Amino acid sequence: EIVLTQSPGTLSLSPGERATLSCRASQSVTSTYLAWYQQKVGQAPRLVIYGASSRATGIPDRFSGSGSGTDFTLTISRLEPEDFAVYYCQQYGSSPRYSFGQGTKLEIK
Amino acid sequence: EVQLVQSGGGLVQPGGSLRLSCSASGFTFTNYAMHWVRQAPGKGLEWVSIISGDGVTTYYADSVKGRITFSRDNSKNTVFLQMTSLRVEDTAVYYCVKDLAGFGAFDIWGQGTMVSVSS
Repeated sequence: EIVLTQSPGTLSLSPGERATLSCRASQSVTSTYLAWYQQKVGQAPRLVIYGASSRATGIPDRFSGSGSGTDFTLTISRLEPEDFAVYYCQQYGSSPRYSFGQGTKLEIK
Repeated sequence: EVQLVQSGGGLVQPGGSLRLSCSASGFTFTNYAMHWVRQAPGKGLEWVSIISGDGVTTYYADSVKGRITFSRDNSKNTVFLQMTSLRVEDTAVYYCVKDLAGFGAFDIWGQGTMVSVSS
């Protein structure tokens, strides 16, 4: 089973700053099968990035994803107040098996 | 509008059973696999199960295998999660989720329904 480890656990930044969230896999992940989600308090998660770098429908272009193999990154270029939330990475593997990282909380500094 | 509306859930004693439903609209239902993902209070996300578009194939997480049955009625655009032998550790918000075909991702989420297992 592939384990995803996200860092940092909590990221404190101000609106307008750049956010860089990391997701590291215990084994290589096919980029096609790496996704990122945003979850606000009391809400269902929302797909942000799929295929490691493709933005989901309605996601602004300040969100970008990159990476390959075992290291993936979600970058938010200029934080808006609505971007503060918990972000999860997720991968799909054979069997099938789906796993999530433990999440990074992006909070207002 | 693509939408998933969930129903069911509630409080049940350990060893009890519960059935969750999820009604889909706004897309060609039979073309897509569907999932259940759960989230224990204050915790992260855990994938539970997948069902193929035709309802023939299902897979389950090891944590629920043998206790949960995922089914669908394509004539009603609805999926069901039958849960039996429930444990305290099954307490969570359960989300019905649409598969993003070809990417192993989850692109549309239901509103979630709370399942509480407690004596």
